[in-house]
Amino acid sequence: GESVGLHLPTLSVQEGDNSIINCAYSNSASDYFIWYKQESGKGPQFIIDIRSNMDKRQGQRVTVLLNKTVKHLSLQIAATQPGDSAVYFCAELLGNQFYFGTGTSLTVIP
Amino acid sequence: DSGVTQTPKHLITATGQRVTLRCSPRSGDLSVYWYQQSLDQGLQFLIQYYNGEERAKGNILERFSAQQFPDLHSELNLSSLELGDSALYFCASSPDGEAFFGQGTRLTVV
Repeated sequence: GESVGLHLPTLSVQEGDNSIINCAYSNSASDYFIWYKQESGKGPQFIIDIRSNMDKRQGQRVTVLLNKTVKHLSLQIAATQPGDSAVYFCAELLGNQFYFGTGTSLTVIP
Repeated sequence: DSGVTQTPKHLITATGQRVTLRCSPRSGDLSVYWYQQSLDQGLQFLIQYYNGEERAKGNILERFSAQQFPDLHSELNLSSLELGDSALYFCASSPDGEAFFGQGTRLTVV
């Protein structure tokens, strides 16, 4: 199967700081990527997506960067808040299937 | 609320038993995906249905099966349950691209 991996399994940041979560993907044919947030006991929740014809997309406090040259995806969260504490997954759409990374656990320190 | 409904939320059953998990997708979404998430693991793709037909198969055991009905709801059947089948089972639906997840069914096999 496809490999979507995350560089760091855990990340701790101070409240108010910016967070950067990274993800590597393996198939250059993937043309759509999503970041999901999963809080404890809940289902994954869509945060932001990006298509392969873009290299940057911004949402509210979040930015996704796509580097197709090195097959790398990152999620930047500005002014991280305690409510941002969760596991973050990147997902890659290849054909009809979504392939998920193992997740990065973000802990925000008040 | 993603619009995807999964029932039951919790299920406790004994080894060797059979259970059925149910998913109602968002109105109008033709694709339904099933995922398994074990403790501290990522989302493992099981199977996808599109408008009643199986479209893609992932790491789904032969003891597991699924179907999508004419009204587009889907059921995941797990039989001859083993302790290792204890996990969160998520359903997601998609119009085309982004997948919306339900809150999951937590299955505990004792």
